[in-house]
Amino acid sequence: NAGVTQTPKFRVLKTGQSMTLLCAQDMNHEYMYWYRQDPGMGLRLIHYSVGEGTTAKGEVPDGYNVSRLKKQNFLLGLESAAPSQTSVYFCATKHIAGVNEQFFGPGTRLTVL
Amino acid sequence: QKEVEQDPGPLSVPEGAIVSLNCTYSNSAFQYFMWYRQYSRKGPELLMYTYSSGNKEDGRFTAQVDKSSKYISLFIRDSQPSDSATYLCAMSADAGGTSYGKLTFGQGTILTVHP
Repeated sequence: NAGVTQTPKFRVLKTGQSMTLLCAQDMNHEYMYWYRQDPGMGLRLIHYSVGEGTTAKGEVPDGYNVSRLKKQNFLLGLESAAPSQTSVYFCATKHIAGVNEQFFGPGTRLTVL
Repeated sequence: QKEVEQDPGPLSVPEGAIVSLNCTYSNSAFQYFMWYRQYSRKGPELLMYTYSSGNKEDGRFTAQVDKSSKYISLFIRDSQPSDSATYLCAMSADAGGTSYGKLTFGQGTILTVHP
């Protein structure tokens, strides 16, 4: 089992460009989350999904959109990238019940010039 | 003021030392308390998990929660170079329910254990 995978691993964008980050999981988890990690800021929740076809805003949603058309995939989109979106992005998943443990992907390092 | 405060360090200790990592929080609704470990250029992994107040021990690691003081700690005994990582505290109000298991993280403490 691959667990949680993220594509791509690295990306450099110019200001104003768009891109989509893909998170895929084979754990059959209902909940999925997108975080960004910046130095000295910890992990901050961008958007999350509690099931196929549902999404909700987290702590820092501005400038991002998400979609969850299939249970196993959660996409994070940047429509017009800005330097402030330079960060490491992590996807995480969680089972709907049981221990409150989130399983993280390896991350995507994004630089916006 | 952040909901969860964690001293970012960095913290450097010799091998064999006892390490103490701490977080304070302001949200009384938090009931689930976790410590994640993150190696360089990797995703975080759950290290310790505690529900409500009390202590939990797992090998060289001990997690303590004091809800009355809104203070949690992670102790590492006989620290090893392999413990060098960033340690993130995380908290949530529930495991599912109306908060959907959302976690609030501290800033993370960078720990280096040198031989």
